[in-house]
Amino acid sequence: ETGVTQSPTHLIKTRGQQVTLRCSSQSGHNTVSWYQQALGQGPQFIFQYYREEENGRGNFPPRFSGLQFPNYSSELNVNALELDDSALYLCASSLAGTPYEQYFGPGTRLTVT
Amino acid sequence: AQSVAQPEDQVNVAEGNPLTVKCTYSVSGNPYLFWYVQYPNRGLQFLLKYITGDNLVKGSYGFEAEFNKSQTSFHLKKPSALVSDSALYFCAVRDVNRDDKIIFGKGTRLHILP
Repeated sequence: ETGVTQSPTHLIKTRGQQVTLRCSSQSGHNTVSWYQQALGQGPQFIFQYYREEENGRGNFPPRFSGLQFPNYSSELNVNALELDDSALYLCASSLAGTPYEQYFGPGTRLTVT
Repeated sequence: AQSVAQPEDQVNVAEGNPLTVKCTYSVSGNPYLFWYVQYPNRGLQFLLKYITGDNLVKGSYGFEAEFNKSQTSFHLKKPSALVSDSALYFCAVRDVNRDDKIIFGKGTRLHILP
């Protein structure tokens, strides 16, 4: 069984740039959720994708967008980066029907300077 | 609004002693509650959940949690702490207002002292 993987591990960007983060779901999982974890905080829900469509969104502006592909892998795109976007971005996969048992990847550490 | 609170930023426990990590919740309707653990440079790992049934829920790595409806609490416990239990622990609740997405607490750092 393959776990959730994320790439890259670390990333440094400049304010105003755009970034794309990638996630591969655990084998057999069809739902992907993205979270932002700022330093010293719990993960904050960004959005979730199921069957390639957005299935719920947290309190994040439209410059945070995503995609899910037919193989259930996913991307998180952030445009016009701001300093406050610096955080650990976590991807979690789950099966529709058991949305609470989420399996998390190791995260991508994004630093915006 | 649905929420969980973890009142302690850090908990220190001697190895071999029992440990408790506290969590209280505020929800409308029946609570679905969870505990996750985060080790350094790792993603979150699911420990256990309460949806219905027995108030004492058993999970991974010897952890258990006690659901207390009258005190709106869901404290994480372990009878005998190991140094390897040192990590960041998150309590979480189902968000009924957002299609059952999960809301996390701010986390409690657990230090097990050898």
